[in-house]
Amino acid sequence: DAKTTQPPSMDCAEGRAANLPCNHSTISGNEYVYWYRQIHSQGPQYIIHGLKNNETNEMASLIITEDRKSSTLILPHATLRDTAVYYCIVRNSNFGNEKLTFGTGTRLTIIP
Amino acid sequence: EAGVTQSPTHLIKTRGQQATLRCSPISGHTSVYWYQQALGLGLQFLLWYDEGEERNRGNFPPRFSGRQFPNYSSELNVNALELEDSALYLCASSLVGTGSYNEQFFGPGTRLTVL
Repeated sequence: DAKTTQPPSMDCAEGRAANLPCNHSTISGNEYVYWYRQIHSQGPQYIIHGLKNNETNEMASLIITEDRKSSTLILPHATLRDTAVYYCIVRNSNFGNEKLTFGTGTRLTIIP
Repeated sequence: EAGVTQSPTHLIKTRGQQATLRCSPISGHTSVYWYQQALGLGLQFLLWYDEGEERNRGNFPPRFSGRQFPNYSSELNVNALELEDSALYLCASSLVGTGSYNEQFFGPGTRLTVL
């Protein structure tokens, strides 16, 4: 699976949009971008995933650049409960490659 | 719908002992994954079980082992415990064979402390 690079930490004001970048310059054609988050000492929670098109769900939006070498997770109206470590993960969908390879993630702190 | 459950919540052992951790997947999920999150380190993949078989294994020594039962619940065993085995052990479950979509649902974890 391709490796990802994320900033170690970010702050965002409550109510503003939080934009979390992820670099995955070695991504290959059959690899998806997944985002998970982990609130302190809890199990990670799935947020969103995508291949090449932008995606949106009730939690967030995922913007993937045209060359697919980077992406941005957008939390449109951040709340204090969004304070967590956010992981950007790239993996292919082939059977047998089901594991998630977590990096160090971005620690997002929402400031009141 | 009940989520992934793990037991015990906390486990304290001494060096050299064995630890057994348990996981119950979401109903209908056939795959169970184990991850280790040691203090200061990221989540590291340990084991993947599907339909009772070990399908993949992370870079961990053989004293980390497990099994999956016919009801798809799973057990992680750690033998000859070492101090560095102290960590949060997370279990996740998912459906398999769903193409690109493989959302893994995580349990709350078992915090293992080795003294």
